[in-house]
Amino acid sequence: TQLLEQSPQFLSIQEGENLTVYCNSSSVFSSLQWYRQEPGEGPVLLVTVVTGGEVKKLKRLTFQFGDARKDSSLHITAAQPGDTGLYLCALAGGTSYGKLTFGQGTILTVHP
Amino acid sequence: EAQVTQNPRYLITVTGKKLTVTCSQNMNHEYMSWYRQDPGLGLRQIYYSMNVEVTDKGDVPEGYKVSRKEKRNFPLILESPSPNQTSLYFCASSTLLRTGRRTGELFFGEGSRLTVL
Repeated sequence: TQLLEQSPQFLSIQEGENLTVYCNSSSVFSSLQWYRQEPGEGPVLLVTVVTGGEVKKLKRLTFQFGDARKDSSLHITAAQPGDTGLYLCALAGGTSYGKLTFGQGTILTVHP
Repeated sequence: EAQVTQNPRYLITVTGKKLTVTCSQNMNHEYMSWYRQDPGLGLRQIYYSMNVEVTDKGDVPEGYKVSRKEKRNFPLILESPSPNQTSLYFCASSTLLRTGRRTGELFFGEGSRLTVL
């Protein structure tokens, strides 16, 4: 089983601050996804990264895939209260094409 | 509207009383999966189905059963629920989870909160 570690587990910041969430794997994976989940709802996909070293931007969110395809980061610039939620990374890899493993998640709270 | 629908959304039951959580998607997706979400543990995969009549175990299948008789439906069955199955359950679907190194987008239902007393 591929293990995913997310850090930090909790993050509480003020509006306007920057933050970074990390996702690390014990082994190489083929692709990694970031999801965001709001209370009472299911997770929603933010991005999929595939290539080592890849960087993708989604407005104030920047996603990076490590060169060795074992880690990823999510950076949010000038956080807003609307960014509050649970951020989950998920990886697909190995020989099982049906398995998608999620990290334990980072709970982000942005205070006005 | 494209969606994944789970029922019931909330359920309180007692140990040993069989229950089924239904999941239906209207996107003609081949792939469907069940997850449970517990504090500090993220989402853990219970079972998945690559297509009709094709199901396989995820990371935490013990105590659960599934079936995929039709493409749109993927019910989760708890034959004899126990308190450690108290959790928030999510059903998800995708066109095809993985093709080579590409991973498809998972579409999630709104969740079913189950309490087993």
